[in-house]
Amino acid sequence: GAGVSQSPSNKVTEKGKDVELRCDPISGHTALYWYRQSLGQGLEFLIYFQGNSAPDKSGLPSDRFSAERTGGSVSTLTIQRTQQEDSAVYLCASSLGGGGGRADTQYFGPGTRLTVL
Amino acid sequence: GIQVEQSPPDLILQEGANSTLRCNFSDSVNNLQWFHQNPWGQLINLFYIPSGTKQNGRLSATTVATERYSLLYISSSQTTDSGVYFCAALNYGGSQGNLIFGKGTKLSVKP
Repeated sequence: GAGVSQSPSNKVTEKGKDVELRCDPISGHTALYWYRQSLGQGLEFLIYFQGNSAPDKSGLPSDRFSAERTGGSVSTLTIQRTQQEDSAVYLCASSLGGGGGRADTQYFGPGTRLTVL
Repeated sequence: GIQVEQSPPDLILQEGANSTLRCNFSDSVNNLQWFHQNPWGQLINLFYIPSGTKQNGRLSATTVATERYSLLYISSSQTTDSGVYFCAALNYGGSQGNLIFGKGTKLSVKP
């Protein structure tokens, strides 16, 4: 596709419910990243997928957070038993991957704004 | 892990003015990027610049890797330049995906 897409654009949920956020990377990009941005803050790394390698999950804040990437393309970020502190904008990015140079330039989607009531 | 610090945190300019945004990082980097987040939240990649100088229209960036800083220059600023500018870095030996972002410089360009 033309760019990284994410859905839904907005999600309001009740505390304790599970949510799934979707990311469609740019076609041909082997690397996919999830970040979250709390109000007025910078971006916090969550998880990174590169090809068929085991994902780097070092940024996930708790075991309530998990992510999958199926078929090397679409990714789903799942938050179980949501808490109010999970409220943030969740951003997905993709890059060509596989090495340095322009391959590592990350292109971001529009984000999903999650509000936990 | 690597620390990324940006300055100034806030900047107000009159349209047409020039500005310089600074990014300091605490360790050697093999990946440094500048992003612009517009008022609607969309992050746009401006430069991939782990070293050297690049220019794109009214914007240019310079990274002096040996001294661990990068500068973003905005010339003849326009109101559409408003938003938050982020610097993000990845250091050698770190996870290849774990870009560390600074807290950003919030730029407001007044007409």
